[in-house]
Amino acid sequence: AQTVTQSQPEMSVQEAETVTLSCTYDTSESDYYLFWYKQPPSRQMILVIRQEAYKQQNATENRFSVNFQKAAKSFSLKISDSQLGDAAMYFCAYRDYGNNRLAFGKGNQVVVIP
Amino acid sequence: DAGITQSPRHKVTETGTPVTLRCHQTENHRYMYWYRQDPGHGLRLIHYSYGVKDTDKGEVSDGYSVSRSKTEDFLLTLESATSSQTSVYFCAISESIGQGAFFGQGTRLTVV
Repeated sequence: AQTVTQSQPEMSVQEAETVTLSCTYDTSESDYYLFWYKQPPSRQMILVIRQEAYKQQNATENRFSVNFQKAAKSFSLKISDSQLGDAAMYFCAYRDYGNNRLAFGKGNQVVVIP
Repeated sequence: DAGITQSPRHKVTETGTPVTLRCHQTENHRYMYWYRQDPGHGLRLIHYSYGVKDTDKGEVSDGYSVSRSKTEDFLLTLESATSSQTSVYFCAISESIGQGAFFGQGTRLTVV
């Protein structure tokens, strides 16, 4: 079974600064998808960004971007110009064609300091 | 927003009683998932479905069963609730492998 690992359970960042969350995964597949989800205190799970493994270009969504290193099986999320509304738990997730599962890491808590 | 509804949103039940949580979607998505979320564990997959009457176990399936008799509904049953099943339960739906899943609002279940 695929595993997704997130270290650094809690990260603090000053407002307007940049924070990077790390994620590594284990797989023998060559085609797969990676995702970052945000869970604010409301508990709602929100899809932030997705990356297709066959694409070398890193995905970007406004202030959110990823650094996808396929050989290293690494998928980090960078939040630029951090805002108070970015304070949340962030989950990395993996999915492939070999099975139908969507596997999550344990999450990173992001604290934004005004 | 994806049309996905979980019911109930909150429930308190006694140890040993059966409990059923319902996930209803209006998106006609093929895949449906049940996760539980506990502090320090992230989201762990309980069961999932890839079509009507097609289900499979996740990583923490013991003590849980599911049914999907129609596309829009995915039921999670705790056969005999235990205190270790106190958790927040999330349902998610997805149309394809490449699509991120959409989540319901979650159900907070407390077993006393």
